[in-house]
Amino acid sequence: AQSVAQPEDQVNVAEGNPLTVKCTYSVSGNPYLFWYVQYPNRGLQFLLKYITGDNLVKGSYGFEAEFNKSQTSFHLKKPSALVSDSALYFCAVRDPVYNFNKFYFGSGTKLNVKP
Amino acid sequence: EADIYQTPRYLVIGTGKKITLECSQTMGHDKMYWYQQDPGMELHLIHYSYGVNSTEKGDLSSESTVSRIRTEHFPLTLESARPSHTSQYLCASSDQHRGTSNEKLFFGSGTQLSVL
Repeated sequence: AQSVAQPEDQVNVAEGNPLTVKCTYSVSGNPYLFWYVQYPNRGLQFLLKYITGDNLVKGSYGFEAEFNKSQTSFHLKKPSALVSDSALYFCAVRDPVYNFNKFYFGSGTKLNVKP
Repeated sequence: EADIYQTPRYLVIGTGKKITLECSQTMGHDKMYWYQQDPGMELHLIHYSYGVNSTEKGDLSSESTVSRIRTEHFPLTLESARPSHTSQYLCASSDQHRGTSNEKLFFGSGTQLSVL
């Protein structure tokens, strides 16, 4: 069965420090992986995706994510956090072999960046 | 900024009322989705559509129904609302076609529904 796990409900980091938001997945085939961000009172916005190729993908607002097949992980990272990065982050997976048309989302991780 | 709109933004209604949550997109996307989001929980797919006159149920059992008479419009209806329907409902669209991987979802701002 397809699933996504975000083990941390909340991540706290000081501005200027590096941040990591964790995501692990389970799919039958090779996964298509995504990160979305939700700011207060706004809809989810696309950040980045991994389909194939280089394991390190770069996305919007300076974020990047590293695909690790052996650990079935797709952690979101940023070298230097900003207060404006504070938001709710969702990891999602799509299984191109089964249920090609469906996205499966994690439960979300709230990122708090303090000045 | 995505051109997908949901109305109303907030809705408080009594039990037993019939309600329709509106979702419209101006991007000409074929695929549209409805997700249900509760705090601290993953998004659950409740309905999706491949195009006009195409609707499918998602993974989460839902007492709601949808219709897709026009490409740009994908309303969700609850015939008789109950307190268990209290949740945030998110509409999304994409222009993905089967056989391609280049899909991303565009989300509306959501409708927060409270049933008393």
